[in-house]
Amino acid sequence: QSALTQPASVSGSPGQSITISCTGGSSDVGSFNVVSWYQQHPGKAPKLIIYEVTKRPSGVSNRFSGSKSGNTASLTISGLQAEDEADYYCCSFVAGVTWVFGGGAKVTVL
Amino acid sequence: EVQLVESGGGSVQPGGSLRLSCAASGFNFNTFWMHWVRQTPGKGLVWVSYINNDGTSTNYADSVKGRFTLSRDNARNTVYLQMNRLRAEDTAVYYCARDIANSFFDWGQGTLVTVSS
Repeated sequence: QSALTQPASVSGSPGQSITISCTGGSSDVGSFNVVSWYQQHPGKAPKLIIYEVTKRPSGVSNRFSGSKSGNTASLTISGLQAEDEADYYCCSFVAGVTWVFGGGAKVTVL
Repeated sequence: EVQLVESGGGSVQPGGSLRLSCAASGFNFNTFWMHWVRQTPGKGLVWVSYINNDGTSTNYADSVKGRFTLSRDNARNTVYLQMNRLRAEDTAVYYCARDIANSFFDWGQGTLVTVSS
């Protein structure tokens, strides 16, 4: 199972919106509404910020939103803040009961 | 409060074995699937294995299939990852995670496994 494709880096200024894409195929992103997104700060464990494509766990800021079109899922961070600087990983459920992550995108707040 | 605490990591020679444990608390353990996810230092996340709530079903990434075995003891609220025939490429921080809606809702702090001669 090949990793999902994410841009290596995305940057934006405080207050701006940025979008991170996550491209898979017909056996993962395209077939299941089971895409999740994780935020990871250096030296910390990942944190779930979006699940089932669009849902936010309790306590996650509504500045984070998810969407999906075909084989590509997206994470949008609106009102970018310094604390959003981190690595972001997408993940999809895959046919055959496995999971696949993206390679990760480093978000830089300029 | 949900807590997942991994243990058992360490240094081992290629071909050796380790058993990782993940002790869970703060939720009804026997109703949730559990996973292991690993991260090579400086690299991305890779899903390793899952086990269903009663331990009757597991699956593994191709890279560890036949070498790793995931099990659970619901009486002890613990999952175990037995890792055999370890390779240098298995060097990573190993996280256990609780599954909700086929997503990794809660994570432990991770335990480092180093495979080196």
